[in-house]
Amino acid sequence: GENVEQHPSTLSVQEGDSAVIKCTYSDSASNYFPWYKQELGKRPQLIIDIRSNVGEKKDQRIAVTLNKTAKHFSLHITETQPEDSAVYFCAASRDTDKLIFGTGTRLQVFP
Amino acid sequence: GAVVSQHPSWVICKSGTSVKIECRSLDFQATTMFWYRQFPKQSLMLMATSNEGSKATYEQGVEKDKFLINHASLTLSTLTVTSAHPEDSSFYICSAREYRSYGYTFGSGTRLTVV
Repeated sequence: GENVEQHPSTLSVQEGDSAVIKCTYSDSASNYFPWYKQELGKRPQLIIDIRSNVGEKKDQRIAVTLNKTAKHFSLHITETQPEDSAVYFCAASRDTDKLIFGTGTRLQVFP
Repeated sequence: GAVVSQHPSWVICKSGTSVKIECRSLDFQATTMFWYRQFPKQSLMLMATSNEGSKATYEQGVEKDKFLINHASLTLSTLTVTSAHPEDSSFYICSAREYRSYGYTFGSGTRLTVV
């Protein structure tokens, strides 16, 4: 079955700096890759997603890149702010099948 | 947008008792429901997938007789933790998907504490 690895597990950055989180997946048939932000005790919130027919997608300060050949995708957050501090999860699925989550990255943005 | 209502938000139960968690899709038909468990500081681990009117498909290592899933209608799915033990204490969260939709709508989660 699908396996999703995520790095780093923790990431600390200064406010205004960029943050990059990377994920690799095992199932070459996966074609949907969302990123979620989760605050303590809350549900995951979708922040951006990408399908396998595109290589990059951007939404204001957030961007995701996908390399299908290498089977990895990355989340890029620019101009980080303290409110970006949370746990971020990548995920992968095949078509509209079950969503498998990465191990998570705890991002801390220091003022 | 799509909303999934999950109840209860938290529950404390005694060891050996059963607990039922409900997820309702409020404005769409949830043809598929996914149930996850999340231990503190860990990721969301998929427990099972259920399609309306069918038996749930459980992930490897998840006891189907302990975690009973019912998805009898397009708007309601339930997870019953039977004979709960302290090690079952966790955050349980559902995620619903509408037929042919790429979106996954998450419930607000249920924090289960077994004492």
